[in-house]
Amino acid sequence: AQSVTQPDIHITVSEGASLELRCNYSYGATPYLFWYVQSPGQGLQLLLKYFSGDTLVQGIKGFEAEFKRSQSSFNLRKPSVHWSDAAEYFCAVGETLDAGNMLTFGGGTRLMVKP
Amino acid sequence: KAGVTQTPRYLIKTRGQQVTLSCSPISGHRSVSWYQQTPGQGLQFLFEYFSETQRNKGNFPGRFSGRQFSNSRSEMNVSTLELGDSALYLCASSLGSRSYNEQFFGPGTRLTVL
Repeated sequence: AQSVTQPDIHITVSEGASLELRCNYSYGATPYLFWYVQSPGQGLQLLLKYFSGDTLVQGIKGFEAEFKRSQSSFNLRKPSVHWSDAAEYFCAVGETLDAGNMLTFGGGTRLMVKP
Repeated sequence: KAGVTQTPRYLIKTRGQQVTLSCSPISGHRSVSWYQQTPGQGLQFLFEYFSETQRNKGNFPGRFSGRQFSNSRSEMNVSTLELGDSALYLCASSLGSRSYNEQFFGPGTRLTVL
């Protein structure tokens, strides 16, 4: 079965500093990979996705992620963090099962931004 | 195009009661999936419906059920509520074709069981 690990439960960065959130997955085939962001009391917003092709993908709000098959990783990066980026971030693997779709999520990383 | 809507946004119930949550997908989307989010277990897949049929089911007890209507709207029902059912229930819609489709999430329904 597929699984997703986000090793960092909490991360604190200063505003303007760079950010990298780690994600490792376990999946037999080529994965569909996603990063979602969730603000308090809100649903999930898609930041970016990887289906195939270029391993460096660009997303919304200045985020990017790099798929590294050899490391089974899909880390999320941002060069300069803004206070509004404080939220919880989820990495997910998408799977097609019996012609249906299912997402398996990591445990999430809560990002705090210091002024 | 309107996003995924979920009603109600908040619910308070007592143990032993049952509850029904509703989800309206994005227009043209035929697949609706449900997820439960709790602090202890994180985000877990409940089930997926496509063309009024359950296509996949996660590892939840039979107290959790759902259905989908011909207009793709979906409901999920939880019977005999337990304290541990307190959670944010998220609905996601997608096109539903055989290849993987991006899922779009609603704002969720916050269920509190007392």
